[in-house]
Amino acid sequence: GENVEQHPSTLSVQEGDSAVIKCTYSDSASNYFPWYKQELGKGPQLIIDIRSNVGEKKDQRIAVTLNKTAKHFSLHITETQPEDSAVYFCAASNFNKFYFGSGTKLNVKP
Amino acid sequence: DGGITQSPKYLFRKEGQNVTLSCEQNLNHDAMYWYRQDPGQGLRLIYYSQIVNDFQKGDIAEGYSVSREKKESFPLTVTSAQKNPTAFYLCASAIRDTLYEQYFGPGTRLTVT
Repeated sequence: GENVEQHPSTLSVQEGDSAVIKCTYSDSASNYFPWYKQELGKGPQLIIDIRSNVGEKKDQRIAVTLNKTAKHFSLHITETQPEDSAVYFCAASNFNKFYFGSGTKLNVKP
Repeated sequence: DGGITQSPKYLFRKEGQNVTLSCEQNLNHDAMYWYRQDPGQGLRLIYYSQIVNDFQKGDIAEGYSVSREKKESFPLTVTSAQKNPTAFYLCASAIRDTLYEQYFGPGTRLTVT
């Protein structure tokens, strides 16, 4: 089955700095890679996603890159703000099942 | 408002009792999922259903059961056979044609003592 590894497990940055979270996956059949933000006690919310036929996608301060050859993808958050503090999960999907990373707790210090 | 609702938000049970967690969606999504989340870990798939009256086991189905009698509803029963049931349970749904963008409910925190 698919195995998704996510690093780092915790990340602390100063407000205004950039944050990068990285994930690797093992199954070359995976073709959809979403990122979720989870606030304490709530369900994850989809913040950005990328499909295997695309190398990079941006949405305002958030971007995701995908390297299919190396089987890794990354989340980039620029100009971080305190409200970005949360747990972020990556996932890889091969159409009908999703496999999640273990999460990164991001702390943005004001 | 369209969305996924899970009830209750907090649930307490005694060991040895079965308990059913509710998940309802009004997004007209065909596929529905149940995940378990433990502290410091990612989400692990318990069961999923792509269509009414059909469902498949996920990676950690032992001790759990589900039903899908209606498109809108996908209840999860945590049975007494589940050795470590205390966890945060998340329900999700997706459009079947793409089976890509999953939307999550707010979760139910189950504590079994």
